[in-house]
Parts: sequence; structure tokens; C-alpha cells
Amino acid sequence: GAVVSQHPSWVICKSGTSVKIECRSLDFQATTMFWYRQFPKQSLMLMATSNEGSKATYEQGVEKDKFLINHASLTLSTLTVTSAHPEDSSFYICSASLYGYTFGSGTRLTVV
Amino acid sequence: GDSVTQMEGPVTLSEEAFLTINCTYTATGYPSLFWYVQYPGEGLQLLLKATKADDKGSNKGFEATYRKETTSFHLEKGSVQVSDSAVYFCALFTNTGNQFYFGTGTSLTVIP
Repeated sequence: GAVVSQHPSWVICKSGTSVKIECRSLDFQATTMFWYRQFPKQSLMLMATSNEGSKATYEQGVEKDKFLINHASLTLSTLTVTSAHPEDSSFYICSASLYGYTFGSGTRLTVV
Repeated sequence: GDSVTQMEGPVTLSEEAFLTINCTYTATGYPSLFWYVQYPGEGLQLLLKATKADDKGSNKGFEATYRKETTSFHLEKGSVQVSDSAVYFCALFTNTGNQFYFGTGTSLTVIP
């Protein structure tokens, strides 16, 4: 079946640094990928929709200059959290769509 | 707007106990309803779904019925096993918004 690989599973970084999270569709091509974020005790919230070869579409309230999304190929989308701060600490998860939606394993980001 | 309200956890049960995780929703259109499960270290996996009122989704002994009159999609299992320990997410998907709305997730631990 469709598999989405997300890397890294967890990362700790210093405040002010940037972190890149990768989302790969392993056995299918995904023209569209989705990035979600979950704060403690809150729902998974859609951050942005990533389209191969074009700019991502961000949800209201999500800073596009802070959360850079690149979808340069049909199997890879990346989310870069720039100048990370402790309030960016969260659980980030990606999803790719083929004939249904397949989710990655998520990335736990802790900014110290 | 569209939203999902899910029973808070964590939930701890003994093996072979009966499980209910409550989920209610608010939607302007006619959503499809889902339960996703996330085992430790893995991505979200589709557990079951229902696409219209009165449909019952079932898988691996889990069941949920789409109740339009009560706007609910409660997850049930008659006899849980240790291997069912995971986080369960209720979600809805609407064609109008073309995106998922997730509950907060309920952590289930089954003890022998």
C-alpha cells in the first residue's frame, strides 16, 4: 500500500536555528502533500497544502515566511521551520494523497 | 465552522474490557467520518470510515456508526487487547473545504 516516510522522528534545536522536516511518498507519486501541526492537548491543524512545482497554500494564521514549504518533486515535500522559537515546539505530521490520504509518522520538534 | 470534539484521555483499560471513545462533530455540509489510529512510532493509519448517515464502519473488531441525528461517530470495541494500545483520532472530511478536521486524539493503554 501507499507509504509516507517522514524524517526525522524527533529533533531538538536551539532557539534561532532552522530545522528541516522531510516527507517522502515511497511507492507513489503525490502531486499534493499536506502539513499538519498539533500542539499539546489540541487537534491536528492543517498548516498548508504543498503542490508539486508551485507555491504552497497556507492556512490562515500560518506564517509562510517562517514555515517554508518546498515540493520540488512528486515524491518529496520539505517543511523548514526558520528561526525556530520555543513556541514552535510541536508535533508536525505530513500527509500525501493518492486514492486516499496516507500519513507520515510525525516529527516531534522541541526548541530550547 | 467544521470541527470535531473527541473524548479526552488518557484511557486505561484491562484486557478484554469494553471500549468506547466518544466523538461528536459539527459540519455545514455532508462530511465523511473517520477514525485513525497511531501506534507508537508510526504514522496515522486509517482504522475505519463512514461516508453517509447510518453507515457503520468496522475493522479489527472496532466499530463506529455515523449518527446524523446526534452528530456522533463513537468508536467501540467489545474486547480490547494489549496490542490496541495507541492514540485514536476522530476526523471528518468535507468536500466543501477539501480538508480533514481532527479531534485531539485519545490515548488508550490496555494492561494485561
